[in-house]
Amino acid sequence: EVQLVESGGGLVKPGGSLRLSCAASGFTFSSYSMYWVRQAPGKGLEWVSSITTGSSYIYYADSVKGRFTISRDNAKNSLYLQMNSLRAEDTAVYYCAGGYNYNYWGQGTLVTVSS
Amino acid sequence: DIQMTQSPSSLSASVGDRVTITCQASQDISNYLNWFQQKPGKAPRLLIYDASNLETGVPSKFSGSGSGTDFTFTISGLQPEDIATYYCQQYDNLPAFGQGTNLEIK
Repeated sequence: EVQLVESGGGLVKPGGSLRLSCAASGFTFSSYSMYWVRQAPGKGLEWVSSITTGSSYIYYADSVKGRFTISRDNAKNSLYLQMNSLRAEDTAVYYCAGGYNYNYWGQGTLVTVSS
Repeated sequence: DIQMTQSPSSLSASVGDRVTITCQASQDISNYLNWFQQKPGKAPRLLIYDASNLETGVPSKFSGSGSGTDFTFTISGLQPEDIATYYCQQYDNLPAFGQGTNLEIK
C-alpha cells in the first residue's frame, strides 16, 4: 500500500522557521518526482515546489522562492521542505504528493503562522 | 506563468444529472492537464491525467477531454458521493491549479 506521511507542522511566529518531512512507502520513491502543495484555510490548492528524482531540477512558486527549500533523501525515502522567514499567508495545510503524475498524496500537515 | 481559469466556481445539480466543468489555460499546454477531486478534510485524489486518461480505479462516469487551451471534465450520472470540490491542474510549465469548482446536490 502506498503511503505518504507528512510531519513537522505546527504553530510558528512570523519570521520563524519549520521543516516539514514526508515519509514514503509502498512505491519506488527514487523513481518519481515529488511535490509540495498547500491549501490555505477555505481556499484552493496551490503548488509550492517540485523536485526531480535525482534532485537535479528544483522549482518553486514565486510566493515561496528564496524562503523555502525542497530536498529529498532517496536512501531514506523521504521528502523535505525547509520553510524560513514564514509569513501569515503561509498558513495552510501542506501536502506532499508524488508518483507518475500526482497520483500519490499524503494526509497533510497544518502550518499556522501567527504571533 | 500559465494561468488556469476554471468555471463555474460552484455548481448545483440533481442526482443523475450530467455535470460539466471547464478549464481554460492562458496558453497552449497540449494535453498536460490533470483533474482532481477533493472531499472536505481529505487530500486531493487524481481522477484524470493527460487531459483524458482515467486514473486506475476511478469510475468510468468521470471523463475528460480537450487539448491546447480548452478542457472539459464531465461526470455522467451524478451521485451523492460525488459531492466535492474539483480542480484542474496544468503541468506543462510550472504547475498551476484552477480555482476549483464546488459541486453540490440540488
